[in-house]
Amino acid sequence: DAGVIQSPRHEVTEMGQEVTLRCKPISGHNSLFWYRQTMMRGLELLIYFNNNVPIDDSGMPEDRFSAKMPNASFSTLKIQPSEPRDSAVYFCASSLRVSGDRSSYEQYFGPGTRLTVT
Amino acid sequence: QKEVEQNSGPLSVPEGAIASLNCTYSDRGSQSFFWYRQYSGKSPELIMFIYSNGDKEDGRFTAQLNKASQYVSLLIRDSQPSDSATYLCAPNQGGKLIFGQGTELSVKP
Repeated sequence: DAGVIQSPRHEVTEMGQEVTLRCKPISGHNSLFWYRQTMMRGLELLIYFNNNVPIDDSGMPEDRFSAKMPNASFSTLKIQPSEPRDSAVYFCASSLRVSGDRSSYEQYFGPGTRLTVT
Repeated sequence: QKEVEQNSGPLSVPEGAIASLNCTYSDRGSQSFFWYRQYSGKSPELIMFIYSNGDKEDGRFTAQLNKASQYVSLLIRDSQPSDSATYLCAPNQGGKLIFGQGTELSVKP
């Protein structure tokens, strides 16, 4: 079975450019999460969706970041304009959330997109 | 106080020994707890989860939970060099996993 798919795997861009990261969750999963990982701040949750609806975007650093989930099999994270401090590894994860099942919070991560903004 | 605290390490153990990884959390409302392993340059992968006080065993791994002390740990028995990685603790807080900074484990042959 295919796991979470992310593209691109690596992205190098110049400051001020728009960057779009893409994610395809595991088929049948109903929750999707975007994380950012840096050495200094570790793994931070940016936003998560449940049944394609954004539930919590409190981790989105600022208005330059936006995320969408137009359907159950696709999500994007956009940074516009990008800045050098956005350089990080961005992970997408998905889970099959079942009400009342505490084990269903387990998340499966994609391979990540390494973003470098120069 | 950080929401999730782990010793950053590195924790170095000899091959065959027991590695003990610890985690404390601040939210008493957390109901379930997840341990992930992350190899350098790779994505986190789930090892196991626990939601009841006490021990839960899965192969060479044992998770321990003490909700009164807000403490969760992971024991790795018969440690192997292939266990060398960063281990992330993640309590579930209101439907979100809050990850600690991770403990780097190094298993020496």
